[in-house]
Amino acid sequence: AQRVTQPEKLLSVFKGAPVELKCNYSYSGSPELFWYVQYSRQRLQLLLRHISRESIKGFTADLNKGETSFHLKKPFAQEEDSAMYYCALYYNAGKSTFGDGTTLTVKP
Amino acid sequence: EPEVTQTPSHQVTQMGQEVILRCVPISNHLYFYWYRQILGQKVEFLVSFYNNEISEKSEIFDDQFSVERPDGSNFTLKIRSTKLEDSAMYFCASSLREEQPQHFGDGTRLSIL
Repeated sequence: AQRVTQPEKLLSVFKGAPVELKCNYSYSGSPELFWYVQYSRQRLQLLLRHISRESIKGFTADLNKGETSFHLKKPFAQEEDSAMYYCALYYNAGKSTFGDGTTLTVKP
Repeated sequence: EPEVTQTPSHQVTQMGQEVILRCVPISNHLYFYWYRQILGQKVEFLVSFYNNEISEKSEIFDDQFSVERPDGSNFTLKIRSTKLEDSAMYFCASSLREEQPQHFGDGTRLSIL
């Protein structure tokens, strides 16, 4: 069965420190993976998708099929990065599975 | 920038009643989705919709639920005979193509009393 695991429910770092939000997936097919961000009282927004291989707001994520991971990284966290982050796996015709989410707090 | 809009923002309904949640997807998008997020839990996929029919649905989306695109702009989620456990935030999303990123609405908070 398809599954997305985000092992950290809460993650706290200081401003300027590197941050890595972990995501592991389980899927027998070719995965389509996304990171979504939800800032306080705002809607879910797409942050990254693995096939675009771009950097958004300084965040990057690399799909590692060997480790079945899609960790989200940023070398220098900013206070405005504080938010809820969801890793999501898409498969079939738009079906998806989301991770439990990680709440990132960046302290000044 | 165009947005997905959802109404109402908060719906309070008596258990056993029917409720309709409304969504206006982005106008040129072709794929539509509903998700649910129970308080304190993760976002869960409910259903995807394309070309006026359901393309995929999850185990959660049983006979109690239905979706409809009654006109060219609205996309609705109907929940019949609501139960307490239907209380959740319901998100609508749309995308231009199946492989394109989804744009989410602000959600409707459904409270079943």
